[in-house]
Amino acid sequence: SQKIEQNSEALNIQEGKTATLTCNYTNYSPAYLQWYRQDPGRGPVFLLLIRENEKEKRKERLKVTFDTTLKQSLFHITASQPADSATYLCALDNSNDYKLSFGAGTTVTVRA
Amino acid sequence: GAVVSQHPSRVICKSGTSVKIECRSLDFQATTMFWYRQFPKKSLMLMATSNEGSKATYEQGVEKDKFLINHASLTLSTLTVTSAHPEDSSFYICSASGLAGTYEQYFGPGTRLTVT
Repeated sequence: SQKIEQNSEALNIQEGKTATLTCNYTNYSPAYLQWYRQDPGRGPVFLLLIRENEKEKRKERLKVTFDTTLKQSLFHITASQPADSATYLCALDNSNDYKLSFGAGTTVTVRA
Repeated sequence: GAVVSQHPSRVICKSGTSVKIECRSLDFQATTMFWYRQFPKKSLMLMATSNEGSKATYEQGVEKDKFLINHASLTLSTLTVTSAHPEDSSFYICSASGLAGTYEQYFGPGTRLTVT
């Protein structure tokens, strides 16, 4: 069966450190993988998209890697700030259709 | 750009009544809109895909007669929960895609439905 697994439900880190989140998938053939941020009681906000032929993508303090052999994406928040505290969701398509399947998310709390 | 609004943000209704939720793309034309449902601390579950001018495509296990979707224009899709029951209480979120050549989705702020 298809599965998207994100590491531990919660991640607590000290301000200034790097948060690393993982997303592993089974029985998908994604053409691209996306990361979203969701704050409590709000809809997700798009952060980054990485295509299957890209190894790494960066946007400001965010970095995403995508390894289609390992079937894994890593999401890094560098120089973390309390404002980065949120739940981060990975999402992927299946063979280039527009529908997305989401992982359950990892909640990051950054302590000042 | 790429702003999606949803209305209402919260609604409480009695069992047996119907509730309509609107999803609008404010600054772009959304060829496709998606409706999701989310339970506390759970992932978003896709309910249906809606294309302007055609019937919605429902995911397996989602009752199309219970969750009526209408995508009458390129900027508006509506979800009507008919004959609501307490188990329909959930967080409903819509998203839109349609910016040419892009795959990311832009989400509305969500609607918290409580059925009493």
